[in-house]
Amino acid sequence: GAGVSQSPSNKVTEKGKDVELRCDPISGHTALYWYRQSLGQGLEFLIYFQGNSAPDKSGLPSDRFSAERTGGSVSTLTIQRTQQEDSAVYLCASSREQGLGQPQHFGDGTRLSIL
Amino acid sequence: RKEVEQDPGPFNVPEGATVAFNCTYSNSASQSFFWYRQDCRKEPKLLMSVYSSGNEDGRFTAQLNRASQYISLLIRDSKLSDSATYLCVVNKRWGAGSYQLTFGKGTKLSVIP
Repeated sequence: GAGVSQSPSNKVTEKGKDVELRCDPISGHTALYWYRQSLGQGLEFLIYFQGNSAPDKSGLPSDRFSAERTGGSVSTLTIQRTQQEDSAVYLCASSREQGLGQPQHFGDGTRLSIL
Repeated sequence: RKEVEQDPGPFNVPEGATVAFNCTYSNSASQSFFWYRQDCRKEPKLLMSVYSSGNEDGRFTAQLNRASQYISLLIRDSKLSDSATYLCVVNKRWGAGSYQLTFGKGTKLSVIP
């Protein structure tokens, strides 16, 4: 597709379950980012990938969070043993390269609700 | 001091008004800047990049003041469709070959008929 695609668009799960969120970046974009946005709050950086290089995981809030990017394209963000505070919208963005002047293009997000 | 600070608003302005938002950033190593807009329950979308010389896109004008470390966005002749949250975004070099994008929490604008 033309834009960043995320799935699922909504996810409701019970506390303690694992969830997997998917992001398909814009074709040709080598940089991929994950953010989290809680209700009424700003964007919280989680992780980024540049091509096949090792990711910058500095924003991941705990070791329950992990992400991978296979083949330099699709990425999955996994949250293990979910907690209620994990409820948020998880946004994925991509850019042509991880350059200073490159804007990021966002997907519609996955709205995650932990019961 | 937060890395990127914005007045959360809300700014309630009548249609046709001119409104300006400021954003300050703390890291003098910051090298590129953007304004994004985010509609309620939607993803952020790039509004415009901010260049050192200032730039204009229709009714929108962005300015950068490196000495004072602030960025501004001016909206002229406000439309109802301008109602949104405006996010200030700062991109800086972080480590060798790495960059980090920091988003402000946004300024909410409501344009009133």
